[in-house]
Amino acid sequence: NAGVTQTPKFQVLKTGQSMTLQCAQDMNHNSMYWYRQDPGMGLRLIYYSASEGTTDKGEVPNGYNVSRLNKREFSLRLESAAPSQTSVYFCASSELGQGVYSNQPQHFGDGTRLSIL
Amino acid sequence: TQLLEQSPQFLSIQEGENLTVYCNSSSVFSSLQWYRQEPGEGPVLLVTVVTGGEVKKLKRLTFQFGDARKDSSLHITAAQPGDTGLYLCAGARGKLIFGTGTRLQVFP
Repeated sequence: NAGVTQTPKFQVLKTGQSMTLQCAQDMNHNSMYWYRQDPGMGLRLIYYSASEGTTDKGEVPNGYNVSRLNKREFSLRLESAAPSQTSVYFCASSELGQGVYSNQPQHFGDGTRLSIL
Repeated sequence: TQLLEQSPQFLSIQEGENLTVYCNSSSVFSSLQWYRQEPGEGPVLLVTVVTGGEVKKLKRLTFQFGDARKDSSLHITAAQPGDTGLYLCAGARGKLIFGTGTRLQVFP
């Protein structure tokens, strides 16, 4: 059982380049999330999708866009990469994740390590 | 705005020692989760505490939720090298909000 799969695992970009990070889950979860992880700052929510067809901004959405392609897949796009976006990006999913369901456990992929020069 | 502060940020100890990690906030949470993250992997859920004052034990790990549901602690007894990793608390408040993290290194 794969759980949450992220691709690619590593990527180096030049400033101004664009790229899309892919995420897929096979647990039939409704909610999916994108986080970035920087030293000393834990995990910060970029965007989330409470259910198929909906997306909402998180704490740090500037410079990113997302697409909930179907129930399984949730992609994160950097349109014009900046050095400040160098980070480790994690995708996660949960059965439900909003309001009274926000205490449900989240299942994470192994991350994409992104460096922007 | 970081609602959940963890302390200490780094902890380096010898095998067999005890330790406590703290997760503090001025906000009330409906529940509190603890995750452990190993190098090159994503966080993995250890436990969820829901009731103020609740204590849960997972082998040598003891988790406590504060009476007012604003803080939590993780106590590890007789730490082992396999406990090495990044420990993250996460509070549920409409969405899940992650703490700043505590990086633990246990030396043999």
